[in-house]
Amino acid sequence: NAGVTQTPKFRVLKTGQSMTLLCAQDMNHEYMYWYRQDPGMGLRLIHYSVGEGTTAKGEVPDGYNVSRLKKQNFLLGLESAAPSQTSVYFCASSRPYQPQHFGDGTRLSIL
Amino acid sequence: AQTVTQSQPEMSVQEAETVTLSCTYDTSENNYYLFWYKQPPSRQMILVIRQEAYKQQNATENRFSVNFQKAAKSFSLKISDSQLGDTAMYFCAFMMSRAAGNKLTFGGGTRVLVKP
Repeated sequence: NAGVTQTPKFRVLKTGQSMTLLCAQDMNHEYMYWYRQDPGMGLRLIHYSVGEGTTAKGEVPDGYNVSRLKKQNFLLGLESAAPSQTSVYFCASSRPYQPQHFGDGTRLSIL
Repeated sequence: AQTVTQSQPEMSVQEAETVTLSCTYDTSENNYYLFWYKQPPSRQMILVIRQEAYKQQNATENRFSVNFQKAAKSFSLKISDSQLGDTAMYFCAFMMSRAAGNKLTFGGGTRVLVKP
């Protein structure tokens, strides 16, 4: 069982570059989420989706865009990366009212 | 907005002993869920235990148990018979029942070090 898979696991970008993080889940979960985790802090919600074709803003959405064209995939995009976006990014998925299942995280460094 | 506070940045415990992590939260909601997640050095987020606010009985999962005090808005985690593999960051999290998307609000975490 793969669960929640994030691609890539590590990435280094230069300021101003763009990239997309991919999250895939094979549990047929309705809900999907993107979080960031900065050193010494808990996870903060960036964007989330309650179903295919829907997205909504979380606590820290600025500088990010998302898309959920297929139920099993949730993409996180950085159009113009900034050093402040250096972080570890986690994807999660869940059924309604059930605990979230997390991917292993993507470490992103922006120089 | 809900807030979750973990007042202990770091705790250490001897192997086989017991440690208790504190968590308080602020909400005006009556129906919600509370969770403890463990994040070992491997960085995975692992669900430890969950508690539904409408249940008075405290949840238990093997060596992990909670003390849920709804009126005090407190949700502490007790780790009994601590093992070296319990060394990790522990995050308390809150989820409203009726909010769209069942979003989680996390506390800042408590680092637990189990010493041999």
